[in-house]
Amino acid sequence: EAGVAQSPRYKIIEKRQSVAFWCNPISGHATLYWYQQILGQGPKLLIQFQNNGVVDDSQLPKDRFSAERLKGVDSTLKIQPAKLEDSAVYLCASSLSHGHEQYFGPGTRLTVT
Amino acid sequence: SQQGEEDPQALSIQEGENATMNCSYKTSINNLQWYRQNSGRGLVHLILIRSNEREKHSGRLRVTLDTSKKSSSLLITASRAADTASYFCAPSGAGSYQLTFGKGTKLSVIP
Repeated sequence: EAGVAQSPRYKIIEKRQSVAFWCNPISGHATLYWYQQILGQGPKLLIQFQNNGVVDDSQLPKDRFSAERLKGVDSTLKIQPAKLEDSAVYLCASSLSHGHEQYFGPGTRLTVT
Repeated sequence: SQQGEEDPQALSIQEGENATMNCSYKTSINNLQWYRQNSGRGLVHLILIRSNEREKHSGRLRVTLDTSKKSSSLLITASRAADTASYFCAPSGAGSYQLTFGKGTKLSVIP
């Protein structure tokens, strides 16, 4: 079974630029999550989708972050404009449904200079 | 929030010894999950224990849950160098099912 795919793996941008991350979850998984992990901390949930609907985006900085999951499969997370404090690893995860174990992708390491 | 808090923050043991990590949380849960993160394999699910379960085993892993004390522990027996990683507990809130990760326990197993 293929795992959660993410791209790109690494990205370096200057502050105020925009960036987008892509995630392809495990086939058949209804729930998709985006997390932000800053060095030395645990992952922080940014947004959770159930199929193509948003379940929880309470910790998403909506003035600069946006995410979508069209057709209930792939998802993209965008940051515009980026700030220095956005430097982190962005993890995508999926699960059969909410409350089940989550399977994580390799992450995208973002550096904002 | 339902954030799990792991203790200790760091743990260093010799290969073959047992490692115990603890987790505390604040409100009612649906289940509690443990994850491991190392540079090689990223973040990996280890075990899920439901709120009506008290103990669960998976290979060399043993997880206990005490809902009256709002705490859980992860025991790794006969540790190996490959167990070197950060371990996170993630309580899943009753109703919300959202996982909230703490800062983790950094385990170092010395060969």
